[in-house]
Amino acid sequence: KAGVTQTPRYLIKTRGQQVTLSCSPISGHRSVSWYQQTPGQGLQFLFEYFSETQRNKGNFPGRFSGRQFSNSRSEMNVSTLELGDSALYLCASSLRYGNSPLHFGNGTRLTVT
Amino acid sequence: TQLLEQSPQFLSIQEGENLTVYCNSSSVFSSLQWYRQEPGEGPVLLVTVVTGGEVKKLKRLTFQFGDARKDSSLHITAAQPGDTGLYLCAGAALSAGNMLTFGGGTRLMVKP
Repeated sequence: KAGVTQTPRYLIKTRGQQVTLSCSPISGHRSVSWYQQTPGQGLQFLFEYFSETQRNKGNFPGRFSGRQFSNSRSEMNVSTLELGDSALYLCASSLRYGNSPLHFGNGTRLTVT
Repeated sequence: TQLLEQSPQFLSIQEGENLTVYCNSSSVFSSLQWYRQEPGEGPVLLVTVVTGGEVKKLKRLTFQFGDARKDSSLHITAAQPGDTGLYLCAGAALSAGNMLTFGGGTRLMVKP
């Protein structure tokens, strides 16, 4: 079974631009969560989608948004990029909403210059 | 806001030594998960503990969940160079789906 696939692996953007990251969950998994990982703050929860609906949202500004499609694939978007948005963005899929092991992808490394 | 304090942040030991990583919070979690992350990869789930006082063993790794479900520990016996990596604890709150609160991580290096 293929794992969680995140594209692209690396991205370099300029301040003020916007970016879209993509996540394809494990086949059959219906929940997709997004996390931001930085050396200073560690892993922080962004949001979780289940059945195309955002179920939980972390403490991030409105510039961070996401969506989930009917095939469970998910995208997250960051608008008006800031230097502090440089991070590893991790997507995790799970079979169901709650009490279900998370399977992480290898992340998208975003660098904002 | 739930917080998880993980200690130590860094650990460098010789092969064959034992070590313990701690994860503490003032909040109660419905479950506590431990992950291991290697450079360039996402975290990989090692274990989930759910019941207060629960102890789980995975070969040389022993995981314990505190009686009050506020803290957890990971003990590695006779560490090997292959154990090198970033260890992360993560707590799940009741009725919060798959939203996890992660500890800051423990970077372990085991020297041969």
